[in-house]
Amino acid sequence: LAKTTQPISMDSYEGQEVNITCSHNNIATNDYITWYQQFPSQGPRFIIQGYKTKVTNEVASLFIPADRKSSTLSLPRVSLSDTAVYYCLVGEAGGSYIPTFGRGTSLIVHP
Amino acid sequence: DTGVSQDPRHKITKRGQNVTFRCDPISEHNRLYWYRQTLGQGPEFLTYFQNEAQLEKSRLLSDRFSAERPKGSFSTLEIQRTEQGDSAMYLCASSSLPPSLGAGRGVDEQFFGPGTRLTVL
Repeated sequence: LAKTTQPISMDSYEGQEVNITCSHNNIATNDYITWYQQFPSQGPRFIIQGYKTKVTNEVASLFIPADRKSSTLSLPRVSLSDTAVYYCLVGEAGGSYIPTFGRGTSLIVHP
Repeated sequence: DTGVSQDPRHKITKRGQNVTFRCDPISEHNRLYWYRQTLGQGPEFLTYFQNEAQLEKSRLLSDRFSAERPKGSFSTLEIQRTEQGDSAMYLCASSSLPPSLGAGRGVDEQFFGPGTRLTVL
């Protein structure tokens, strides 16, 4: 089971770009990288998923280097409402995939 | 169908009592997950179902915990003889996983409910 490591917390300011890096040194060939966001007193919400290179959607980008041993979630121009905990998960749905959230990264966006 | 629902939203019970929580997934979703989350920690996987079959169960889960999904729709999670350490938020999530999903197809996007907050006195 691939283990992930993220910073415990990060601080930023409104309008800045935020990059959160996740390390997953023992990622398997078929594993995908998935990021979730969680606000207090709510369940997590899917943000983005990728396998290699770069993936972009309407809320974030995900950068994955060629060796896939890490990934970076990029949030452009954050606002106060982006204050949340962000989780990086690694896995592949075929077979016995057990989602492992870890402690995540607590992002605080300041005015 | 507006999303995953859980009932009750809050439950206060005394140590030693049994409690049961219900989760109603998004109607067309065939996979259903249960998690437990305590303050400052991420959701901890408990178990999941593919339709009515329970495919995985965490080894950390004691035998006081049991989950069912009898008709492949809603699910219940029961905790017997509750302990104070069971106090947590219990989250349910559902997803749609195509039966033919195999290697290289990614993992399912899970949709989470609002959770049931359990307090054991």
